[in-house]
Amino acid sequence: DTEVTQTPKHLVMGMTNKKSLKCEQHMGHRAMYWYKQKAKKPPELMFVYSYEKLSINESVPSRFSPECPNSSLLNLHLHALQPEDSALYLCASSQETGIKYYGYTFGSGTRLTVV
Amino acid sequence: GQNIDQPTEMTATEGAIVQINCTYQTSGFNGLFWYQQHAGEAPTFLSYNVLDGLEEKGRFSSFLSRSKGYSYLLLKELQMKDSASYLCAVRSYDNYGQNFVFGPGTRLSVLP
Repeated sequence: DTEVTQTPKHLVMGMTNKKSLKCEQHMGHRAMYWYKQKAKKPPELMFVYSYEKLSINESVPSRFSPECPNSSLLNLHLHALQPEDSALYLCASSQETGIKYYGYTFGSGTRLTVV
Repeated sequence: GQNIDQPTEMTATEGAIVQINCTYQTSGFNGLFWYQQHAGEAPTFLSYNVLDGLEEKGRFSSFLSRSKGYSYLLLKELQMKDSASYLCAVRSYDNYGQNFVFGPGTRLSVLP
């Protein structure tokens, strides 16, 4: 298995809803990432988990709450989002550390629309 | 912090060669990556450089000069399907661990 699987592929939610994005990989990667990408912009890093511990939080609002239940799963819990949070949310994984290239593998993303 | 720059848009003709440049400023540099992203899809890996020089991979080559903070992606024998955004990304390490930051991306249009 050489894929990162994200669900759902599309999500429409209201500003008072609570929803979760899910990401799964079975490549034995120990680093997992959440990125946010707006149209015609590059992906922006949100969170990095290394060995199931949050190592980087790029000043993301608290309405986004990441969770890493185990080495294969990464969740992003959403609550009280704003319309400007509508974007493509990408999950990625990689081996950790070392100078060798281990490859960042991206999932196909969840397209989120907040109404 | 990091500062990564790429041209916003480029246009080239089918069958031609195009070079997409990327300049960066960072500390703790540990590799430069090129990704291709078609509209609405996830980025897909193209190439990786951590040492100076040229890495060739079929129709795609990537070059790195660490002293100049400069890389380019060379695409040969352009095909219509090469129309996409090309993102350079820099990996670096600091006291908090590993960073992986994308440049703004270059939208390439291949014309018949």
